[in-house]
Parts: sequence; structure tokens; C-alpha cells
Amino acid sequence: SAVISQKPSRDICQRGTSLTIQCQVDSQVTMMFWYRQQPGQSLTLIATANQGSEATYESGFVIDKFPISRPNLTFSTLTVSNMSPEDSSIYLCSSHPVTLPDTQYFGPGTRLTVL
Amino acid sequence: GENVEQHPSTLSVQEGDSAVIKCTYSDSASNYFPWYKQELGKRPQLIIDIRSNVGEKKDQRIAVTLNKTAKHFSLHITETQPEDSAVYFCAASIDDYKLSFGAGTTVTVRA
Repeated sequence: SAVISQKPSRDICQRGTSLTIQCQVDSQVTMMFWYRQQPGQSLTLIATANQGSEATYESGFVIDKFPISRPNLTFSTLTVSNMSPEDSSIYLCSSHPVTLPDTQYFGPGTRLTVL
Repeated sequence: GENVEQHPSTLSVQEGDSAVIKCTYSDSASNYFPWYKQELGKRPQLIIDIRSNVGEKKDQRIAVTLNKTAKHFSLHITETQPEDSAVYFCAASIDDYKLSFGAGTTVTVRA
């Protein structure tokens, strides 16, 4: 399986500010994904982060609100911009073993609370 | 896009009994179906998966079945134990590897 770490593990932020979440994978992978899990809910895909190209966003998510970087094959960041209390969620990144592109493993998540 | 429905939303079973969770999907092009277990405050953990060229897969006490014609797949947990208590999510993806998740099933195993 892929070993995935995220920073920070949790944060409490004021509305109107931005937070950047980091995701590190222990091997070079093609795809990294960012998901949101609102309290008591399922996981929703925000975007796919591909190295060397723009991230691909799902319906309902836009680059201005959730800019993503993918500077190399082991690292990605997600920024939650101009936060409001509705952005309070767990944000998870995921990736896959090199030889199994459809098998996703998740990072530990970042629990974000916006006041 | 893909729509995955999951039932039931909650499931309470006696220790030692079996638990079954069912999911249906809408996109006939879906070809990969993982199941995740999420304990409180933890990350989703992949517990078993099945690809569309297989009808059934088993790993110790858990098994998954797939019916492509009916577009549904199920998770079976036998001889349930208290540590099986968690939220279980089914998911589906096509060749773009994006996962669409079901709403989740909260399983409680009563001792």
C-alpha cells in the first residue's frame, strides 16, 4: 500500500483566512486526489492533482476556492481559500500504489474548523 | 456522473452474526468497486475490492459479490466481532480512477 501523510492534522481558523494542507506520498505516483468529508457524511471528490498539468475539479468545486499544487510526483497541496464556517470538514488526500492505479489509500486527514 | 446508493444506513447485529451491506451504481462503465472501513476519527481503510471481471472475492471473514447485470455489489461480514463496529463505505470508479462513494453504513456489533 502507499504510505501517505498530511499536515496539519487539524486546525482552527478564522473566517476569511486561507489554509494550505500538505500531502506527501512515499513513492512517485501519477495521480493524487483530494476529498472532503463533511461532519457525519461521506467522501466527496474535490479534484484530481496531476503532476505537470492543471488540477481537474469536480462539479461544485472551483480553482479559486480550492487551488491545488502538484510540484512533483510525491507531493501535493490543497488550499482552502477565504474560508467560511461551511468549509469546516475533514480534508483527505489519497493516492495509489505504483502498480495499481485504481487502488486508493487515504492520508490521515486534516480536520478543519472555521470560526 | 456516477451515482452510488448504499443501504442500509445503519445496521445493528449480534456478535457472531453476519452483516450485509448493499450498493447500487448507475454507470455501467464502472469497473472497480472498493469497500472502505472508517473508525471514529480515523482515515478510511481499504478492506476489500473487486474488479468487474470477477463475480466474488473473499478475504477471511469478509467477502464482496458483484452483479454487473443488475449493477449492484454487496459486502458480507461473517462471524462479526465488536471490532467490526465502524462506518463502511462502498465506492465505484471507471477508467479515470475517480471514486464515487456511497453514503455509508454505520455498523454496530452488540456483544
